[in-house]
Amino acid sequence: LAKTTQPISMDSYEGQEVNITCSHNNIATNDYITWYQQFPSQGPRFIIQGYKTKVTNEVASLFIPADRKSSTLSLPRVSLSDTAVYYCLVGDEGGKLIFGQGTELSVKP
Amino acid sequence: KAGVTQTPRYLIKTRGQQVTLSCSPISGHRSVSWYQQTPGQGLQFLFEYFSETQRNKGNFPGRFSGRQFSNSRSEMNVSTLELGDSALYLCASSLEGQAVTDTQYFGPGTRLTVL
Repeated sequence: LAKTTQPISMDSYEGQEVNITCSHNNIATNDYITWYQQFPSQGPRFIIQGYKTKVTNEVASLFIPADRKSSTLSLPRVSLSDTAVYYCLVGDEGGKLIFGQGTELSVKP
Repeated sequence: KAGVTQTPRYLIKTRGQQVTLSCSPISGHRSVSWYQQTPGQGLQFLFEYFSETQRNKGNFPGRFSGRQFSNSRSEMNVSTLELGDSALYLCASSLEGQAVTDTQYFGPGTRLTVL
């Protein structure tokens, strides 16, 4: 069964770059790695998804090394509104979906 | 397009009762997944339905069940409620195929409290 590990919490200041790493052993060979953002009392919201190397969209970048046993979500120049919980999601070879325990990001002025 | 909707948003039940939660996916989406979110266990996968068939199931007891209708709407049922079933139940829909590769869109959740 796949297991994911993320830091429980991180602190940052406005304008800084934040990198959150998720370790995931036993990730399914054909599976993508997806990151979500969740605000209190809301469902998770899709941020970015990738399979390998680097993916970038208008809000974040995702770095995945060749062995795919980890991934790093990079948020450039965070603002107060980026304060939220961030989850990585992977699937294992059995097809089960595994969320990380979530990283609570606190952005301070 | 309307997003994923879940009803009801809040529910209070007592131990031993049963409950049914409903999820309407985004129009055109055929896959629906259910998750349980608690402070202690985080987000845990319950099951996934695609074209009215349960395709995948997490490690939850048989008290947790679900189904999907021909219009892709889904319901989940929890029988013989226990205090530990108090949680936020989230539904997510995706276009089709494998939920592990499709982008999932989540609803706002149903907050279930068991007294």
